[in-house]
Amino acid sequence: GAVVSQHPSWVICKSGTSVKIECRSLDFQATTMFWYRQFPKQSLMLMATSNEGSKATYEQGVEKDKFLINHASLTLSTLTVTSAHPEDSSFYICSATRDSFQPQHFGDGTRLSIL
Amino acid sequence: AQKVTQAQTEISVVEKEDVTLDCVYETRDTTYYLFWYKQPPSGELVFLIRRNSFDEQNEISGRYSWNFQKSTSSFNFTITASQVVDSAVYFCALNINTGNQFYFGTGTSLTVIP
Repeated sequence: GAVVSQHPSWVICKSGTSVKIECRSLDFQATTMFWYRQFPKQSLMLMATSNEGSKATYEQGVEKDKFLINHASLTLSTLTVTSAHPEDSSFYICSATRDSFQPQHFGDGTRLSIL
Repeated sequence: AQKVTQAQTEISVVEKEDVTLDCVYETRDTTYYLFWYKQPPSGELVFLIRRNSFDEQNEISGRYSWNFQKSTSSFNFTITASQVVDSAVYFCALNINTGNQFYFGTGTSLTVIP
């Protein structure tokens, strides 16, 4: 089955650091990747949709300069949390899909803790 | 507008009891998919089922069963003879073809007490 790998699974860093999270589709080409954020005991909230080779589409309220998304290839999308602060601490999950009519496959998530 | 409602925030049952998790959705699209995911404490999302809007057949998979009723816009999930390993947060989600948007409910936290 389709596998999506997310790395790292856990990050702890100091405030002000920029953190990069990778999302890879291991056995299929993902034309579209999605980034979600989940606060403790809350649901997943879509942050942005990224299509390979084009700029990401951000959901309302998500700062694009804060959360940089790069979808440079059909198997890799990266989310960079720039100058992270404690309020950015959260669980970030990516998903990938071959096309609009295919189901999304989720990575295992990255737990980000900013001290 | 699309919306998924899981009215039950937390449920506790004793092991071997049956439990039903409710999911009600809203969409004007005629083509859509409904999903259930399990999220254990480790955080990863475990896919359980996908059902398209044209297939109202109920489905059973082991101890799991799903009841899809378009007339009430519901897609309920029943666990029969619950086990401690079923303890997790369960999310219902709606996926519409337009833009491949994915809408999650707020989740139901299930605790199975031994």
